[in-house]
Amino acid sequence: SQQGEEDPQALSIQEGENATMNCSYKTSINNLQWYRQNSGRGLVHLILIRSNEREKHSGRLRVTLDTSKKSSSLLITASRAADTASYFCATVVAGKSTFGDGTTLTVKP
Amino acid sequence: DTAVSQTPKYLVTQMGNDKSIKCEQNLGHDTMYWYKQDSKKFLKIMFSYNNKELIINETVPNRFSPKSPDKAHLNLHINSLELGDSAVYFCASSQPDRVHEQYFGPGTRLTVT
Repeated sequence: SQQGEEDPQALSIQEGENATMNCSYKTSINNLQWYRQNSGRGLVHLILIRSNEREKHSGRLRVTLDTSKKSSSLLITASRAADTASYFCATVVAGKSTFGDGTTLTVKP
Repeated sequence: DTAVSQTPKYLVTQMGNDKSIKCEQNLGHDTMYWYKQDSKKFLKIMFSYNNKELIINETVPNRFSPKSPDKAHLNLHINSLELGDSAVYFCASSQPDRVHEQYFGPGTRLTVT
């Protein structure tokens, strides 16, 4: 089974609304990352949160981490059509990155 | 000024053929990776090289053979292609101590018919 599992698998919202995606993982981690993948493109690193952090912000992105529940969430505020993409969480264990199954976000203009 | 580039972007070939995908990065990174993304977007690491040496080799069939002529290049050769090899293959790179921040290439969509 996957180190990172995400929900929902797909999310469709209107422009201006907030989008929340969740990720759960299984093993202890030092940090967790979120990546974005636009259709037909490679992944782009968005943000990293360390295990001793509970929340981190970057522009319209807000990431939370709950190590007791082994879960993280990515919130995108005031979404735009350009935010339409797939979002993946990832963890690194023993030098190897493991990616979640991804959440496909569609933002309708 | 592309950071991580892959060629070709699309590859359509028949079962049984041998094909190669090339990857180059100009970021000065020491570590490079190959990932396979299936039709459900599930992304799985295949190989990782650090300064031309193999450090991660997941349970990938022997038909897949990575080659790193120098630390800026990591090519993937696939022998005797099978239908199940159809996927998007991504190359990525990072510094060895920043595995958590990888830079991905645009992907190569391989279709085996």
